[in-house]
Order: sequence, then C-alpha cells, then structure tokens
Amino acid sequence: AQSVSQHNHHVILSEAASLELGCNYSYGGTVNLFWYVQYPGQHLQLLLKYFSGDPLVKGIKGFEAEFIKSKFSFNLRKPSVQWSDTAEYFCAVNARGSGGGADGLTFGKGTHLIIQP
Amino acid sequence: DGGITQSPKYLFRKEGQNVTLSCEQNLNHDAMYWYRQDPGQGLRLIYYSQIVNDFQKGDIAEGYSVSREKKESFPLTVTSAQKNPTAFYLCASSIWGIGSNQPQHFGDGTRLSIL
Repeated sequence: AQSVSQHNHHVILSEAASLELGCNYSYGGTVNLFWYVQYPGQHLQLLLKYFSGDPLVKGIKGFEAEFIKSKFSFNLRKPSVQWSDTAEYFCAVNARGSGGGADGLTFGKGTHLIIQP
Repeated sequence: DGGITQSPKYLFRKEGQNVTLSCEQNLNHDAMYWYRQDPGQGLRLIYYSQIVNDFQKGDIAEGYSVSREKKESFPLTVTSAQKNPTAFYLCASSIWGIGSNQPQHFGDGTRLSIL
C-alpha cells in the first residue's frame, strides 16, 4: 500500500514570498501524483497532476510541482504567493495498477497555508 | 453546470442511529468515492465504486455501508457500528481510466456530528 507524507502541517508566509510545500510518497511501483487545494468554504479542487512525461508540471494559479523519482518526491512551488493562496493543500497519490480502474487516492495530512498581507 | 451534490450540508446523529449521506453527480462519471476528513488527518478512503452495482472497501470501511444502484448516485450510510462518526465526509467522482490517472472531482461535503 502507498503512503504520503507532507512535511509541514502549518506554513505562514508574507505576500510575495516564495513557496515550497514538501510531499514524499512511499510506493515501489509507478504512481500518479496530484496536488489538491481547499480554499476556505470551498470544495477540494485539483491544482495539478503528474502521470508521465515532463517531471515539471504546471497547474492553475501559477503553481508548479516537480516529480523527482529518485527522491519519491512531488513538491509544490510558487515563486510569489498572494493573500488569496491561503488554503489547505493536499498531496495525493494512487498506484497504477496493472488492471487499471479507478482506485481511490491516498492523501497526505495536508498543509495549512496562511498568507499574511 | 455539471458537478457533485452532497446533502445535507450538516447532519446530526443520535447514538445508535444509522444515517445516510447523499451524493449525486451529473458528470457522467463511472467511478465514485467516499472520503472522511478529520482535522490533521487528511482524507481517508471509505468506499469506492468503479461501476454500477459494484463497490470496494477503502482503508476505513468498518461501520459504513454504500450502494450503487444508479450511475449518478452513491449514498453512504454511517451505521451505529461506527464508534467515532463525527467528521467531514467528502464524495468524489472521476472518469474510469486505465492506470487510475483521472483526477477526481469533489463535492462540498457533509459535516456529521453526534448529539
């Protein structure tokens, strides 16, 4: 079974600061990787995803993430954060089973990001 | 607009009572999921269904039951056997895809509390 670890549970930054949220997963096979965001009072939304190809993926709102296979990592980055980026961020993974199908995601415990104006 | 509708938004359960949370989607997705979100715990998978009339246990299925009689609907019943049901419950759906690479779309959630 796979597991996901997010390094920081709470992060506080000032506007215009650079952001990096760590995510490591544990699974011996091939995985699909996701970052979801939950803004206050809103439902979970997909930020970005990685399945294959270029390990640097770009998502919505200026976010990007880099898949480093040797480190089992998929860290989320943004060069300059805004107050509106205040939210809960979740890293998630599912294993690519040989039979295909739509298995559930394994989520990290989340990082609560607060951006101070 | 297509999306996932969860109801009710807030639900209260008495001790020993079963309650059912509704999840409906009009995205024509084959796969549906139920997660439980607890503070500091992230989301944990309760049950999922890849297709009508079929569903599988997730990581924390004990004390829960589901049905999938229609493609659009995937109700979750929290039974009296679930000893710690207070949580935020999220329903999701996705296109069935080889290799499980389809992103999931989430509803707004139901917050369940014990009276």
